[in-house]
Amino acid sequence: AQTVTQSQPEMSVQEAETVTLSCTYDTSENNYYLFWYKQPPSRQMILVIRQEAYKQQNATENRFSVNFQKAAKSFSLKISDSQLGDTAMYFCAFMEAGNMLTFGGGTRLMVKP
Amino acid sequence: DAMVIQNPRYQVTQFGKPVTLSCSQTLNHNVMYWYQQKSSQAPKLLFHYYDKDFNNEADTPDNFQSRRPNTSFCFLDIRSPGLGDAAMYLCATSRDSSAGSNQPQHFGDGTRLSIL
Repeated sequence: AQTVTQSQPEMSVQEAETVTLSCTYDTSENNYYLFWYKQPPSRQMILVIRQEAYKQQNATENRFSVNFQKAAKSFSLKISDSQLGDTAMYFCAFMEAGNMLTFGGGTRLMVKP
Repeated sequence: DAMVIQNPRYQVTQFGKPVTLSCSQTLNHNVMYWYQQKSSQAPKLLFHYYDKDFNNEADTPDNFQSRRPNTSFCFLDIRSPGLGDAAMYLCATSRDSSAGSNQPQHFGDGTRLSIL
């Protein structure tokens, strides 16, 4: 079974600074997909960024980028120029073929003005 | 905009009184999921549908049932809610992997269920 571990239950960052959220996973599969989801307080969970395991290039979406280290089974999220609206729970998630997501325990990020 | 819609946003029911949560989607996705999320925890998958094929997670209590009358709608029925069932319930949809790999799930806003 796959497991996803987010070792930082809570983090904080000053507005405009950069923060990195860590995620590690365990799998015996070679083809899989990784996601970061953002869940603001009392709001919808939305997809932030995704990465295909067969792609070596790290995914980037505007201020969000990942550092995907397949051999180390690590998938960290970097948020640059943090904004107050980035305050949320962030979930790392793993998916192999079949659409089922395995979530990490989440990291609560607080962006401070 | 196409989306996943959950009604109501907040639901209060009495201990032991059946309750139904609803989810609809305009994305025309063939896979629909129900998750239970307790405070500050990751969502826990309860069950999912591939079209009309129902798939129950092994540890989902029998108290939880689901119906999917058509592509657009999916319901979560809790037959006899207990205090431990108070949680956020999330509905999600996706295309299945036959549409290509890496089909992300799209989530609704959730229904927060309280038990009195």
